[in-house]
Amino acid sequence: KQEVTQIPAALSVPEGENLVLNCSFTDSAIYNLQWFRQDPGKGLTSLLLIQSSQREQTSGRLNASLDKSSGRSTLYIAASQPGDSATYLCAALNTGNQFYFGTGTSLTVIP
Amino acid sequence: NAGVTQTPKFRVLKTGQSMTLLCAQDMNHEYMYWYRQDPGMGLRLIHYSVGEGTTAKGEVPDGYNVSRLKKQNFLLGLESAAPSQTSVYFCASSYHDRGEAFFGQGTRLTVV
Repeated sequence: KQEVTQIPAALSVPEGENLVLNCSFTDSAIYNLQWFRQDPGKGLTSLLLIQSSQREQTSGRLNASLDKSSGRSTLYIAASQPGDSATYLCAALNTGNQFYFGTGTSLTVIP
Repeated sequence: NAGVTQTPKFRVLKTGQSMTLLCAQDMNHEYMYWYRQDPGMGLRLIHYSVGEGTTAKGEVPDGYNVSRLKKQNFLLGLESAAPSQTSVYFCASSYHDRGEAFFGQGTRLTVV
């Protein structure tokens, strides 16, 4: 069974700092990996999707990378803002049509 | 564009009662999923569907049933609710098996 781990569980940074969130997975036979944002009491908002054949995806201040061989993905956030405060989840899609989720990194950006 | 809509948003049930959660998507997606989210355990797949009229079990299917009579709707049923089913339930959909998943806003269910 796929196991997805996100470290750290919580992160606090000052506004303007660049930061990296980590996601690791045990089974490299993934179809894709998706990063989500979840605000308290809300649903999941899709940020970036990386197909298994891709190395990275970018959207605005966000850049996600994927290294299947090492079982790792990172989400890079540039010039962080207080509005970026949320929980960030990664999910790996394996055969069997099942997304396996990490437990998330709770990010706080301090003004 | 509504995306994925879940009904209801909140519900309190007594042990033994039954209920149905409705998920509707307007993106013509083939794949639909039901997840539950519990503190410290992340999201876990309950059931999923790869197309109209199909359903399959996920990681934690016990105590739940599902139906996909129409492509746009995916229903999750609890026949006899238990306190262990207190959770936040999320529905998701995707166009195909490798497509981007879109989530609803969740249903917060409390079983007392």
